[in-house]
Amino acid sequence: KAGVTQTPRYLIKTRGQQVTLSCSPISGHRSVSWYQQTPGQGLQFLFEYFSETQRNKGNFPGRFSGRQFSNSRSEMNVSTLELGDSALYLCASSLKSGNTGELFFGEGSRLTVL
Amino acid sequence: AQSVTQLDSQVPVFEEAPVELRCNYSSSVSVYLFWYVQYPNQGLQLLLKYLSGSTLVKGINGFEAEFNKSQTSFHLRKPSVHISDTAEYFCAVTAYSSASKIIFGSGTRLSIRP
Repeated sequence: KAGVTQTPRYLIKTRGQQVTLSCSPISGHRSVSWYQQTPGQGLQFLFEYFSETQRNKGNFPGRFSGRQFSNSRSEMNVSTLELGDSALYLCASSLKSGNTGELFFGEGSRLTVL
Repeated sequence: AQSVTQLDSQVPVFEEAPVELRCNYSSSVSVYLFWYVQYPNQGLQLLLKYLSGSTLVKGINGFEAEFNKSQTSFHLRKPSVHISDTAEYFCAVTAYSSASKIIFGSGTRLSIRP
């Protein structure tokens, strides 16, 4: 069974640009969550999608957005990039929404903003 | 709201020695608790979880954790560590509500000395 796949793995952008990251969950998983990981702030929850609907949202500005498609693949977008957006963005999938299940993480997309 | 405190940012330990990684949580409602491990350049992987029942939970790779409700703790232990246990360990908490998001602690970096 293929794991969670995130693309691209590495990318470099400049301030003011926008970026789109993609996440393909494990086959059959309908919930996708996104986390931002930085050395200073640790792992911070961005949002969760289940069946194309956003179920939960973290405390990030509106520049951070996401969506989920009918095949459960998810994308997140960050507009008007700032230096502080440099981070590892992790996607996690699970069978269902909710919190008793195990989260399966991808290897992340490392974004550097110059 | 829930929060997690991992008291040690780094724990150095000699190979084959025992280790305990500390985790305390705060919540006004009942919670589920998790420990995840992140190896270098990888995503997170579930080590173990406490949902209900026995307060001593056994996980993968010889790790175990004990849920202590009165002390609001969920410390992770291993009786004898191996070089391959070198990684960052994250404690996480979520409320019973199915719509709750999982909140991660700041992580503890475990370094094993030969």
